[in-house]
Amino acid sequence: DTGVSQDPRHKITKRGQNVTFRCDPISEHNRLYWYRQTLGQGPEFLTYFQNEAQLEKSRLLSDRFSAERPKGSFSTLEIQRTEQGDSAMYLCASSVTGGLSGANVLTFGAGSRLTVL
Amino acid sequence: GQNIDQPTEMTATEGAIVQINCTYQTSGFNGLFWYQQHAGEAPTFLSYNVLDGLEEKGRFSSFLSRSKGYSYLLLKELQMKDSASYLCAVRGSTSGTYKYIFGTGTRLKVLA
Repeated sequence: DTGVSQDPRHKITKRGQNVTFRCDPISEHNRLYWYRQTLGQGPEFLTYFQNEAQLEKSRLLSDRFSAERPKGSFSTLEIQRTEQGDSAMYLCASSVTGGLSGANVLTFGAGSRLTVL
Repeated sequence: GQNIDQPTEMTATEGAIVQINCTYQTSGFNGLFWYQQHAGEAPTFLSYNVLDGLEEKGRFSSFLSRSKGYSYLLLKELQMKDSASYLCAVRGSTSGTYKYIFGTGTRLKVLA
């Protein structure tokens, strides 16, 4: 397993277009998180899944954002009608529950950088 | 609500020791994490505290006081490659869901 993979790494789009990001977590990790990060800030929580169930979604997230994890493995984050304020790095992280060493530690992917023109 | 405070920026000299503080307020505290993030890269895990006290890992140590809502990350024998942003994150649990909230990060500059 090579860790958490995100695709695409970079996306440039025009305002009003839809974009979709994909995240493939570490295979045995049952929890998957999406964060957004802008320059000089820490990662901002967007949403998280345990297996295929979306357990929490940030109240800051508008209805233009939607995330899925249909089979409890990979996840997609879609942004509809993008705005310039959506420009950010979108980070995916995964973790595994349990009492073993390393459990509950978030492992991040390299991120998908979105630029909205 | 949840709130995490850490200094925005710190500067230290190569070979020195630096302490980065973090204070937090959260409901359902379930652990405090420190991550390192180099510019343009993803955060990488450094340390984890769930009980009070000190956790040591090589040149890095992290301390937690749950009653004070306080943690620090101690970096010893600083190297140039330690120049990065250090993120404090708290794992909170409400109604059985687990969320990790990050601070804005402390940008550390290590000078020769």
